[in-house]
Amino acid sequence: ETGVTQTPRHLVMGMTNKKSLKCEQHLGHNAMYWYKQSAKKPLELMFVYNFKEQTENNSVPSRFSPECPNSSHLFLHLHTLQPEDSALYLCASSQVGGRDEQYFGPGTRLTVT
Amino acid sequence: RKEVEQDPGPFNVPEGATVAFNCTYSNSASQSFFWYRQDCRKEPKLLMSVYSSGNEDGRFTAQLNRASQYISLLIRDSKLSDSATYLCVVNSNTDKLIFGTGTRLQVFP
Repeated sequence: ETGVTQTPRHLVMGMTNKKSLKCEQHLGHNAMYWYKQSAKKPLELMFVYNFKEQTENNSVPSRFSPECPNSSHLFLHLHTLQPEDSALYLCASSQVGGRDEQYFGPGTRLTVT
Repeated sequence: RKEVEQDPGPFNVPEGATVAFNCTYSNSASQSFFWYRQDCRKEPKLLMSVYSSGNEDGRFTAQLNRASQYISLLIRDSKLSDSATYLCVVNSNTDKLIFGTGTRLQVFP
């Protein structure tokens, strides 16, 4: 399935590194999301973009910086992360924001050393 | 009270069994309800939307009880491949989707 793609699939980075996660959706949707999923915890919504505009920042630390250049692409820029930031980072998209069903990419498994 | 609550399980059932999960939600104004399936170390995948009249897709039946604020998922004739975590999803009063922690199902031979 190639509706929502994410790269890289796995990432190991040190606390002083800078890296970026990429997400692309091929579904013609207008809303895109970043979620964090830690072990044995529910999905945590991080950011929401509707029609390229950020509509939600769920109190995410500034070491996570999203970018949405167009409705099909979403980035998450990472810098000076902490070990507790190690998690599965999932991108999703939906037709519009709010109540519509969301479709997820395969995720990036991030380990911060 | 949590916005979405699920029994984490695990539910261990033999092949061919019928199993049901419930999920309660706190926002009486919620309008959108879904069940997602998540396999170990994979992304959540939409299983089915839940409509007021209830809906069925093969071996899966979803129902909504607005009065008691819960939704249910019934799986008939369980297969080994049904083993996964089932996530209950409801829209919040700020129109975001809230994901439950999931109910783990293990089907054994």
